[in-house]
Amino acid sequence: TQLLEQSPQFLSIQEGENLTVYCNSSSVFSSLQWYRQEPGEGPVLLVTVVTGGEVKKLKRLTFQFGDARKDSSLHITAAQPGDTGLYLCAGADFNKFYFGSGTKLNVKP
Amino acid sequence: GAGVSQTPSNKVTEKGKYVELRCDPISGHTALYWYRQSLGQGPEFLIYFQGTGAADDSGLPNDRFFAVRPEGSVSTLKIQRTERGDSAVYLCASSLTGGRGDEQFFGPGTRLTVL
Repeated sequence: TQLLEQSPQFLSIQEGENLTVYCNSSSVFSSLQWYRQEPGEGPVLLVTVVTGGEVKKLKRLTFQFGDARKDSSLHITAAQPGDTGLYLCAGADFNKFYFGSGTKLNVKP
Repeated sequence: GAGVSQTPSNKVTEKGKYVELRCDPISGHTALYWYRQSLGQGPEFLIYFQGTGAADDSGLPNDRFFAVRPEGSVSTLKIQRTERGDSAVYLCASSLTGGRGDEQFFGPGTRLTVL
């Protein structure tokens, strides 16, 4: 059973489109992280959000942590083929991290 | 200056055999994590080390799984009497202190296949 539910599971879009992926939970986390994972590799950290309501921007990526620290979203503006990958969210409960099952994004040129 | 490394990259074994998976964390990182990732799923927490001690092993699925980190650096995940359901990618990650928000750096994983 996954504590974190991610949606959508799969997303295939054209280069230049915008998209939002969601990470929802009924549990409160002390922090939430977003990762991107490519085939055959381990996940790579994109961002950590700690405060409820926090918004962080990383170039074309915007991350938001819900006010209640239970959910988060990742918005990508003008997606590029290089954004293709598996996007994972992970909630921290002390030193244990719970991962969602991910959103597999494919950006077509 | 290398990242986290894991060996072997692939391991094929027969049901009932014993396997060891190795993780070399980033030098100086005190925290080390093991995860298991099944196809189409996110990583599932197995165990967390702080230094030499297992600070949280609540994710180990049963007593066939055991992990050690005797000198606070390299860690070995040991699986006895392997079962087909153990097939997965086993990921190791390390972080500097294990503190809240501390970045975890992942290795490329060991793909375990139990026939």
